[in-house]
Amino acid sequence: QVQLVQSGAEVKKPGASVKVSCKASGYIFTDYDVYWVRQGPGQALEWMARIHPRGGGTNYAGRFQGRLTVTRDTSISTVYMQLANLRSDDTAVYYCARESAAGRIVAGDYFDSWGQGTLVTVSS
Amino acid sequence: DIQMTQSPSSVSASVGDRVTITCRASRAISTWLGWYQQKPGRAPQLLIYAASSLESGVPSRFSGSGSGTEFTLTITSLQPEDFATYYCQQSNSLPFTFGPGTKVD
Repeated sequence: QVQLVQSGAEVKKPGASVKVSCKASGYIFTDYDVYWVRQGPGQALEWMARIHPRGGGTNYAGRFQGRLTVTRDTSISTVYMQLANLRSDDTAVYYCARESAAGRIVAGDYFDSWGQGTLVTVSS
Repeated sequence: DIQMTQSPSSVSASVGDRVTITCRASRAISTWLGWYQQKPGRAPQLLIYAASSLESGVPSRFSGSGSGTEFTLTITSLQPEDFATYYCQQSNSLPFTFGPGTKVD
């Protein structure tokens, strides 16, 4: 079965960087896009980025441009999300998610499998 | 960016009730819309994609409709496990924005 397993919780100081990993299994890693979505405490979901694992191409939400880097290592079926220059309002649960298999048929970007989430706390 | 709004922000309902949630997009997105259910402390789960297509394994009491700028998610007979927060998400154009959520309690 499809599984996305994320790295553990992180506590960072303002101005630092964080790198979260997302290891995929149960499917052909290079066949499906992977996304990052975050959720602040008591807040809505916020889409951050997309990566095409086959070629490594990425798209980022404008508000994260310059601070966010998403990469992948196809040899270990893992995607990484690195957020730099952290602020207190970056405190959130960060999720990776896989492109929906059904959504691919209609060429839409939906997310059918999610990681368990990684809590990143930014505090001085 | 396309802005997504949802109404109501919360709804009080009982088991067996019919519940309807509305999602609006700031500009037309055809049928590029998904619905997700999220329970506290859990990752979201995809319910509906392409506005009206039911994701595999999702109970048929969930349905979606709409196109352009206005969409609805309907739960025909609310079950105890349906008490959760529901989000819409547009996949028409980057960035793929979510609505603010509707809590069903």
